[in-house]
Amino acid sequence: DAGVTQSPTHLIKTRGQHVTLRCSPISGHKSVSWYQQVLGQGPQFIFQYYEKEERGRGNFPDRFSARQFPNYSSELNVNALLLGDSALYLCASSFYGSEAFFGQGTRLTVV
Amino acid sequence: EDQVTQSPEALRLQEGESSSLNCSYTVSGLRGLFWYRQDPGKGPEFLFTLYSAGEEKEKERLKATLTKKESFLHITAPKPEDSATYLCAVQDISGGSNYKLTFGKGTLLTVNP
Repeated sequence: DAGVTQSPTHLIKTRGQHVTLRCSPISGHKSVSWYQQVLGQGPQFIFQYYEKEERGRGNFPDRFSARQFPNYSSELNVNALLLGDSALYLCASSFYGSEAFFGQGTRLTVV
Repeated sequence: EDQVTQSPEALRLQEGESSSLNCSYTVSGLRGLFWYRQDPGKGPEFLFTLYSAGEEKEKERLKATLTKKESFLHITAPKPEDSATYLCAVQDISGGSNYKLTFGKGTLLTVNP
């Protein structure tokens, strides 16, 4: 069985640009969550989606948005990129409220 | 607000030298406590879920235990391949249908041969 897949694996963007990160959950999992991890810190919660509905939002500015598609895949969008947005972005899928399984992440560098 | 504190921040062991990692937490009501292993540049790998005080789970050289205020990850006779960052996270029952995880900063474990 394929695990959680994220694309792209690495990305370099310029300040002010927009970025879209993608995530495909484990087959059968209907919940997808997004986390941001900066170096030396634990992952920080951004969004959770279940059955295409937003179920939770972390303490992130409105520049961050996400959505979930009918096939349960998800996108994370970040507008007007800042240097401080440079981080490892992690997607996690779960059946619902059970153990969350993470993808390998997308390393975003903003220059 | 949920809080998770892990100690020590870093731990260096000799191969075969057993030790424990600590995770102290504060939540309104604990739905679950999770342990993950993370290798550099990779996503966290799920290890254990604990739900109630007194619960224990084992996997190879690792054993996780839970009390009402903290969890321990015991590593018995570690090997160099156990070197990684170990993350602890909690789910708060007051989150309702939001199953977010609140993570600690992790413990960086290095096992020397």
